[in-house]
Amino acid sequence: GQQLNQSPQSMFIQEGEDVSMNCTSSSIFNTWLWYKQDPGEGPVLLIALYKAGELTSNGRLTAQFGITRKDSFLNISASIPSDVGIYFCAGPNTGNQFYFGTGTSLTVIP
Amino acid sequence: EAQVTQNPRYLITVTGKKLTVTCSQNMNHEYMSWYRQDPGLGLRQIYYSMNVEVTDKGDVPEGYKVSRKEKRNFPLILESPSPNQTSLYFCASSLGTRASYGYTFGSGTRLTVV
Repeated sequence: GQQLNQSPQSMFIQEGEDVSMNCTSSSIFNTWLWYKQDPGEGPVLLIALYKAGELTSNGRLTAQFGITRKDSFLNISASIPSDVGIYFCAGPNTGNQFYFGTGTSLTVIP
Repeated sequence: EAQVTQNPRYLITVTGKKLTVTCSQNMNHEYMSWYRQDPGLGLRQIYYSMNVEVTDKGDVPEGYKVSRKEKRNFPLILESPSPNQTSLYFCASSLGTRASYGYTFGSGTRLTVV
């Protein structure tokens, strides 16, 4: 199946720091989505990207659709304790299957 | 409230005892899907459905069955559960046929097979 590799696998940061994570694919995606999963809950959609090169923000979150269409990036500015969770990239392949990345676990230290 | 409802939240069962995890959505979404989540592997798609009576295998369909007789319901059936199916399961639905608009997820079902 399709592999979406996320890095880093985990991050431990101080409150107030900025965070950067990325997601790479072995094949082209036409849509990139970023989700956050709080402990014990289902993932929640944060940002959707539909065009190569697109840069989209949602509050302190900014995501970019890589120009090669094989990668995407998520940045979180001025992290706060409630940013803790697992962040997933995701997207549909050229068929109808939908894939999630391996996840980046974020811990924010107050 | 727009939501995806899964039941049960927690389930412990024995090897070989058939079980069904129910999933229902109230948003009139076409696309529904089941995922399992295991540490370090992210979420892997088990089955998906693009509409009533249309179901397809995802990446890890072995040992699972699904049905889509009505638009709102998409149950996951384990005919003969085995310990390697111990996992956290999520049902999700999306507007549109390829989930490009993003999923709404249920709260998850934590299944333990002993």
